[in-house]
Amino acid sequence: QKEVEQNSGPLSVPEGAIASLNCTYSDRGSQSFFWYRQYSGKSPELIMFIYSNGDKEDGRFTAQLNKASQYVSLLIRDSQPSDSATYLCAVNGSGNTGKLIFGQGTTLQVKP
Amino acid sequence: DAGITQSPRYKITETGRQVTLMCHQTWSHSYMFWYRQDLGHGLRLIYYSAAADITDKGEVPDGYVVSRSKTENFPLTLESATRSQTSVYFCASMGAGGSQPQHFGDGTRLSIL
Repeated sequence: QKEVEQNSGPLSVPEGAIASLNCTYSDRGSQSFFWYRQYSGKSPELIMFIYSNGDKEDGRFTAQLNKASQYVSLLIRDSQPSDSATYLCAVNGSGNTGKLIFGQGTTLQVKP
Repeated sequence: DAGITQSPRYKITETGRQVTLMCHQTWSHSYMFWYRQDLGHGLRLIYYSAAADITDKGEVPDGYVVSRSKTENFPLTLESATRSQTSVYFCASMGAGGSQPQHFGDGTRLSIL
């Protein structure tokens, strides 16, 4: 069973701090990695994707991928109360079927 | 830019009834997906489609039927609804290539009494 694991949290950080969200995956052949943000009662919204080892930055968000360790993370700099949401890690398994395997999500709380 | 739309947004029905959830996308994406999201289970794939007339089962297909006669539409039918199918249903679409991001509709909240 291919799995994606996330700490469910809640992860609580003060406003202005860096929030670090982590995800591990079991399928060593995975090639595409995505981070979605989901506000309560809303649909998942894509915020970052990464395909290659290393860091990818977009504004306050940085995705980090380490395929050798089967680990992907999301850093949110200068966290804002509006960043409070559940963050879903998703992995496209080997075989390039287009199917994603989602983690259970990490709830982030940013306190003013 | 309408993107991907789901209807209805909310639905209440009774056990044993047939109900169809609609999904329409305007991007001409090849792939379309149906998920259900329940507390404690996260997002689970029900069915997906790589192109018109091509569908395949996901993780939890039992009790559901899909069709895809046109690229832009991917309806999900519960042939005889059960209480265990009470959930939030999300449709998503993705461009060709197999490694593109998926984009989600707003969801349908379905309650089966």
